[in-house]
Parts: sequence; C-alpha cells; structure tokens
Amino acid sequence: DAGITQSPRYKITETGRQVTLMCHQTWSHSYMFWYRQDLGHGLRLIYYSAAADITDKGEVPDGYVVSRSKTENFPLTLESATRSQTSVYFCASSELDYGYTFGSGTRLTVV
Amino acid sequence: QKEVEQNSGPLSVPEGAIASLNCTYSDRGSQSFFWYRQYSGKSPELIMFIYSNGDKEDGRFTAQLNKASQYVSLLIRDSQPSDSATYLCAVNTGGGNKLTFGTGTQLKVEL
Repeated sequence: DAGITQSPRYKITETGRQVTLMCHQTWSHSYMFWYRQDLGHGLRLIYYSAAADITDKGEVPDGYVVSRSKTENFPLTLESATRSQTSVYFCASSELDYGYTFGSGTRLTVV
Repeated sequence: QKEVEQNSGPLSVPEGAIASLNCTYSDRGSQSFFWYRQYSGKSPELIMFIYSNGDKEDGRFTAQLNKASQYVSLLIRDSQPSDSATYLCAVNTGGGNKLTFGTGTQLKVEL
C-alpha cells in the first residue's frame, strides 16, 4: 500500500529495555521526521533526515537513536527506555516544502 | 517564549458559523505556514499551507497570513460537527523543511 506506515501501533515495554519503532514510506520522499506528542507540549521534533545516511537532531533527541540506510525506512530506537519516554510517536515524510504526511502513530508506554 | 503560540481553547461555535483559529510565531524569517487537523486518537492531517501575505482559500477553509504582525489564522466557514477537532499551526522556522508546531486549538462545533 502506498503511504507511510508505522509499527507497532501500540507497545508496552519495561524501563531499561531497548525498543525500536519502525517507519516506512513508499513515496521516496527525501525528508523524514520523528515527533513525539505529549499533553501540554504538542508535537516536538526528535530527529529528522534530509536523505539516506543524513540525519540530524531535533528539539528533544536525548535517549533516542535513528538511522536511515534506505530512503524509505527511518527507524527510531530508544536505547534504554525511561518512563518519561511514554508518549505517542509520529513519523512523517515530506518532499520540498509542501507539508508533512504523518503515519498513524505508535503509542508507547514504558512501565 | 514558545516559537509558535496558539490558544488551547476549547473554541465553541454553533453549526453553520465561522470558526476563527489564530496562531502567532516568533521567527521573523519564517517562510512557510501550515494548518493541520487532528481528530482525537488520530494523526495530524494537512489541510492548508500558505507562503505569501494575504488570504488563501480552499473550499470552506481560508488561511490568512500577515508576516509583519507574525500572525497566521484559519477561518472555517459553515462549520460542521465533523470539523470538531484540534487544529495545529506549524511554521517552518529553521529551514531544512523542519516544522515547529503550536500546541493546538481544540474546536467544538455544536448542533
């Protein structure tokens, strides 16, 4: 299916565990982004990528790692999950400056 | 000071009325502005973008931009109950296609 797909939709993990959130897009968009959404903070940028093998930090990158070996995939890894990383995570992609298309989100709970 | 400010609401309007949603931003160098709609539990979806001062209309939606006042607004004419959602203002503040989001305004359209 065309579009942007995130997996899993829901995840519960324990403090200290490593967890990877997946993001896949079929449009070959150059730009991909990871945001987290929390009450009172809105959407905050974690990491972004302008192309394969090019990534950069956003507003709240601590505790997260990204990679982008292929244009279509942009996984986000929490190296050692903490309760403060409980959030809804959105992946997005875009081409040029025409706005983002978001994935359906991953609701992550760290217990 | 947050870079993109929105009144959190809720903004309540009767069905058929005009809803006016406002957003201010702090970076005078910002060049592109976006409005997203987000239903509860769903991902944001792009409804409008505007680059130039003035008005841009798309169906029942009108985006208005005033760069001198650092102000962008969204008007929704003939509001419908299906318009009830949170509206997010986003601004390209740092280049590189990165968007900074406001925390959103909740709109309630009442029968």
